[in-house]
Amino acid sequence: DIVLTQSPATLSLSPGERATLSCRASQNIRSSLAWYQHKPGQAPRLLIYDASNRASGIPARFSGSGSGTDFTLTISGLEPEDFAVYYCQQRSDWPSLTFGGGTKVEIK
Amino acid sequence: EVQVLESGGGLVQPGGSLRLSCVGSGFTLSSYGMSWVRQAPGKGLEWVSGMSVSGGSTYYADSVRGRFTISTDNSKSTLYLQMNSLRAEDTAVYYCAKEKRSSKTNYYYYMDVWGKGTTVTVSS
Repeated sequence: DIVLTQSPATLSLSPGERATLSCRASQNIRSSLAWYQHKPGQAPRLLIYDASNRASGIPARFSGSGSGTDFTLTISGLEPEDFAVYYCQQRSDWPSLTFGGGTKVEIK
Repeated sequence: EVQVLESGGGLVQPGGSLRLSCVGSGFTLSSYGMSWVRQAPGKGLEWVSGMSVSGGSTYYADSVRGRFTISTDNSKSTLYLQMNSLRAEDTAVYYCAKEKRSSKTNYYYYMDVWGKGTTVTVSS
């Protein structure tokens, strides 16, 4: 199975700062990667798919990049509502689907 | 508005059974791949099971294969997850999600509509 490793586990930042989250795959997954935002008690929210495409309604401050085994989610200027847990996800080895362990973005 | 709404969670003893339901609205459920994902207390997201368009194929994580069964009733626009032989480690919030195709491969790789989840607790 393909393993996704996210780093760091926790990111402590202030509103307005830039957040850079990393996701590394154990094998080449081309650009078949998504990013989700998850807040307690809420439904997870798709942010980015195919590594760099923003999902419908997602603000432009969220961007994704990478291919192969190394991927990045960047939040260009943190808004108060962006403090949450972020997961990467792949399904390159169809039909198995895996998530990374998550990165918590917390207020510094 | 495209939505999914889960129900059916509760407290069940180890070895017991439970059936979760997920009603889709604003879209034709049989025209999309669908998945169940869970989150155990203090843990991350874990994919549990998926179903292809029109229910043609079903898929399971190793941790639930042989114990859980995914199915649909298209007349009711409802996805189900029948959970048997439940264990303490199945305790989690269970989410239903509508799948989204990759724009590059046309396979259902991602999940673009999620419910708020239903809680399953396995304990004596």
